[in-house]
Amino acid sequence: DSGVTQTPKHLITATGQRVTLRCSPRSGDLSVYWYQQSLDQGLQFLIQYYNGEERAKGNILERFSAQQFPDLHSELNLSSLELGDSALYFCASSARRGQGGNEQFFGPGTRLTVL
Amino acid sequence: GEDVEQSLFLSVREGDSSVINCTYTDSSSTYLYWYKQEPGAGLQLLTYIFSNMDMKQDQRLTVLLNKKDKHLSLRIADTQTGDSAIYFCAERSSGGYQKVTFGIGTKLQVIP
Repeated sequence: DSGVTQTPKHLITATGQRVTLRCSPRSGDLSVYWYQQSLDQGLQFLIQYYNGEERAKGNILERFSAQQFPDLHSELNLSSLELGDSALYFCASSARRGQGGNEQFFGPGTRLTVL
Repeated sequence: GEDVEQSLFLSVREGDSSVINCTYTDSSSTYLYWYKQEPGAGLQLLTYIFSNMDMKQDQRLTVLLNKKDKHLSLRIADTQTGDSAIYFCAERSSGGYQKVTFGIGTKLQVIP
């Protein structure tokens, strides 16, 4: 158990819909990362937050957005869903910069299926 | 930008050694990582190496780093069926927010 929790575990929805994925980082971790894993694209970095502020953006579509709240949990919002958005979405957290190797601890993922 | 490449698939017989290779482009990498993803689970850090090291050994795992060629490898000795998983190489850059870039993952299949 990494200490990172994600809900829901599975999500099935239709094209055009909007969903919210939730992540609670490990206690004390300030950074939260979101990744998308699909069979054809591998693991793609979407976005990172650090202590409530957006730190870096990767291959995140404009239809997707995220935020990190004062209690450090994060939400990833996916809107106008398309079939190609079906994937595993992982959240990861890491400690403050400068602590060791800055290992990222991954949650179990949310499997999104868009029908 | 940073790029990390790895082969998609490796098949080995139980008891043999597995070697998973990775190349990266960022010459300013500070740490290089190997993560393991078992079926239905998230990624879990296996080991990491600081960029000023050539080798790191941890029980059955040996990590070799050739910084000149930007090549990283993970050797698993006496590979077991429980080692079947996807292995991700990742590198952490030194600049800015120290972004971590992951490879696409190598699926290791261990044949009994």
